[in-house]
Amino acid sequence: ETGVTQTPRHLVMGMTNKKSLKCEQHLGHNAMYWYKQSAKKPLELMFVYNFKEQTENNSVPSRFSPECPNSSHLFLHLHTLQPEDSALYLCASSLRTSGGPYTDTQYFGPGTRLTVL
Amino acid sequence: AQSVAQPEDQVNVAEGNPLTVKCTYSVSGNPYLFWYVQYPNRGLQFLLKYITGDNLVKGSYGFEAEFNKSQTSFHLKKPSALVSDSALYFCAVRDMTAGTYKYIFGTGTRLKVLA
Repeated sequence: ETGVTQTPRHLVMGMTNKKSLKCEQHLGHNAMYWYKQSAKKPLELMFVYNFKEQTENNSVPSRFSPECPNSSHLFLHLHTLQPEDSALYLCASSLRTSGGPYTDTQYFGPGTRLTVL
Repeated sequence: AQSVAQPEDQVNVAEGNPLTVKCTYSVSGNPYLFWYVQYPNRGLQFLLKYITGDNLVKGSYGFEAEFNKSQTSFHLKKPSALVSDSALYFCAVRDMTAGTYKYIFGTGTRLKVLA
């Protein structure tokens, strides 16, 4: 295992539900990421947090709301999703040193398979 | 724009034969390149990366990759494939746009090693 855990592993929700995905890393990293993985498409970066501060929002719809209370935990809050949001959602973390360029290796969790009915 | 391409959706190779999974990139400035592997029901696992130095990078599980600047390629290779190497392989490049922390991934190549 990579030291990055995600819960739940599978989630089925209706379009009117509200749910949250959780990610936890035990590696002492300071950057965390949410990715969306859909079949036959490149991995899509959604959000990046660096030292608990959001540094990237890749034009993600507002029905996805991230939260990073500390450098070890990352949440993705979901509400009023659409069927096309069904995908594998991957969390990753990395150790970012001060100064660039940043070439840190990302460590991924196993993902949450989300199905929106 | 920064991008990475994996031209093959699937690569089939017989066990014991050498394998190559292709990746080409387009970046401004020096490229920082990565290979990851994804087994079924698992997240991505890091294999190797090229930052600078020797063009031949050695990584986990006997994999290596060759950085070729003139051809803007970073192909993943292994001298002798194993059935257990069957998985989805992703090439990625660091987006060097100022102020961003993005990594750009390819669409993935499914490797099937046949016994």
